[in-house]
Amino acid sequence: QKEVEQNSGPLSVPEGAIASLNCTYSDRGSQSFFWYRQYSGKSPELIMSIYSNGDKEDGRFTAQLNKASQYVSLLIRDSQPSDSATYLCAVSDTGGYNKLIFGAGTRLAVHP
Amino acid sequence: GAVVSQHPSRVICKSGTSVKIECRSLDFQATTMFWYRQFPKQSLMLMATSNEGSKATYEQGVEKDKFLINHASLTLSTLTVTSAHPEDSSFYICSAPGSGSPDTQYFGPGTRLTVL
Repeated sequence: QKEVEQNSGPLSVPEGAIASLNCTYSDRGSQSFFWYRQYSGKSPELIMSIYSNGDKEDGRFTAQLNKASQYVSLLIRDSQPSDSATYLCAVSDTGGYNKLIFGAGTRLAVHP
Repeated sequence: GAVVSQHPSRVICKSGTSVKIECRSLDFQATTMFWYRQFPKQSLMLMATSNEGSKATYEQGVEKDKFLINHASLTLSTLTVTSAHPEDSSFYICSAPGSGSPDTQYFGPGTRLTVL
């Protein structure tokens, strides 16, 4: 069974610190990787997508991908209280057209 | 671009009634849409893939006769929860692949269903 694993948290970081969120996946054939942010009671919002090994930066967010280790991470620099949310890692499902496999999410709490 | 809307945002109904939820892609066409369900403090669970012009594909364990999906046009998919019961109370979210990046899914705002 294809799985995406995330630490459920909560991950608690002080304001201004770097938050590091990790994700591992089981489907070695996956080619597309995504991070979504979900505030309580809201639907997921796309933050980052990454397709190649290495780092991809967008503002305060950096996604890192290591296909050999089947590992994806998201770094949030200068964390703000507004970053407090659940972060979902999603991986493309090689068995289904445009389907994604979601992790259970990591809850991030940024405290002032 | 890639804006997805859902209606209604919140619905409360009595047990035994049917509820229809609409999902629309506002600025792009979507031949495929996905329906998810999310219980409190749990992750998204894919229920089915909605295909324009053909039958929906349901995930294992999802009752297709209870959760009716109709993809009426390239911008509209509907999910009807038939004979709803309290255990169907959940957050239902649709998504659609972006036209420029078909493997990227954009989510609607979700529909909170409460069955009394």
